[in-house]
Amino acid sequence: QQQVKQSPQSLIVQKGGISIINCAYENTAFDYFPWYQQFPGKGPALLIAIRPDVSEKKEGRFTISFNKSAKQFSLHIMDSQPGDSATYFCAARGFNKFYFGSGTKLNVKP
Amino acid sequence: EPEVTQTPSHQVTQMGQEVILRCVPISNHLYFYWYRQILGQKVEFLVSFYNNEISEKSEIFDDQFSVERPDGSNFTLKIRSTKLEDSAMYFCASSPVTAGGGGEQFFGPGTRLTVL
Repeated sequence: QQQVKQSPQSLIVQKGGISIINCAYENTAFDYFPWYQQFPGKGPALLIAIRPDVSEKKEGRFTISFNKSAKQFSLHIMDSQPGDSATYFCAARGFNKFYFGSGTKLNVKP
Repeated sequence: EPEVTQTPSHQVTQMGQEVILRCVPISNHLYFYWYRQILGQKVEFLVSFYNNEISEKSEIFDDQFSVERPDGSNFTLKIRSTKLEDSAMYFCASSPVTAGGGGEQFFGPGTRLTVL
């Protein structure tokens, strides 16, 4: 069973545009939802995270929107920059482990 | 800034050989994890480790895999008899408290394992 579903698989955005990546989760016991950014050849690095008692969290150009009833959460990258080009993974924590989405490869065109 | 380190960065081995992947977690962290990422695919949980024993493991973590914290600083993943399908990037992570208790994970740069 796929615990976390992520879409789209890839995304191309023009510089200055908004990048939106969506995730849906299965288990209501999940209690923490991070987003990771991964550059080629590197390990995932925490970007921003949210808990289910909050509907939105913003850190700089990055915002997580969380819909508990729909079991969905999304990452919005405002004013996307070429340096944001990377693979983004959503994750959900439960049962002492993290379940990752399948990843979204973001390409921000100059 | 403290970071998780992993060695080697790339390991090439023959099918059937044993490999040991090494990690040095952040020094005051108590929980340790191994994940793998097959090329182009998602990150998959393998095992979590606390207080010198396995806390959780996935169905991927079968009898061919073992983990150990041989001293106060290293955390190792051993694959006894490697298969072609073990070729992947292996990430170590550590956290100060358990993932279920609010612990944020910090990932190492990974070891790329290539099984020929």
